[in-house]
Amino acid sequence: DVKVTQSSRYLVKRTGEKVFLECVQDMDHENMFWYRQDPGLGLRLIYFSYDVKMKEKGDIPEGYSVSREKKERFSLILESASTNQTSMYLCASSGLGTGHSGANVLTFGAGSRLTVL
Amino acid sequence: GENVEQHPSTLSVQEGDSAVIKCTYSDSASNYFPWYKQELGKRPQLIIDIRSNVGEKKDQRIAVTLNKTAKHFSLHITETQPEDSAVYFCAASNPGGYQKVTFGIGTKLQVIP
Repeated sequence: DVKVTQSSRYLVKRTGEKVFLECVQDMDHENMFWYRQDPGLGLRLIYFSYDVKMKEKGDIPEGYSVSREKKERFSLILESASTNQTSMYLCASSGLGTGHSGANVLTFGAGSRLTVL
Repeated sequence: GENVEQHPSTLSVQEGDSAVIKCTYSDSASNYFPWYKQELGKRPQLIIDIRSNVGEKKDQRIAVTLNKTAKHFSLHITETQPEDSAVYFCAASNPGGYQKVTFGIGTKLQVIP
């Protein structure tokens, strides 16, 4: 069974703390994504990566950074957490582009619910 | 960038009735349109998708239609059942190598037994 694993299901942090959210996939997928999910706002893309050490900004990258040192691992970093970053964070991965079976299909992790106090 | 609008945001139907969720997209280059279902407390999962060279696709009780000219696509669920209750997200993806997927805000569907 394909898997995207997020290391923490629930985190509580204080304003100003540095936060690391880890995501690991075992499907040898090229693409990995970080979304945040907020009621009434849907799934908003923060950053994505299409290859090791490559990253692209999504729609709401401010206040976040990412790291992809290995193909299977994609980390989301909040350099200085703020209360408006309280949210559910979803990691996802997908295979190569069009023409490949299953391409574009996102496999999501279970999510990491972050509360910033 | 791509913008996906989805409506309604909430939808209640009686068990056995049909449900329709509509989405529009802005980028005419988008060529892939998936629908994800997220049950309460669970992760989103793909339920059906359609590519821009196809106008309609069916899978048992669910179907998706695409109108490229109007840049809108819809999800149709027939003979709804309580287990269809969930949040449904439409999305659009461009053909670029990065496979960026942009989601709508979601529709919370409640099927009343």
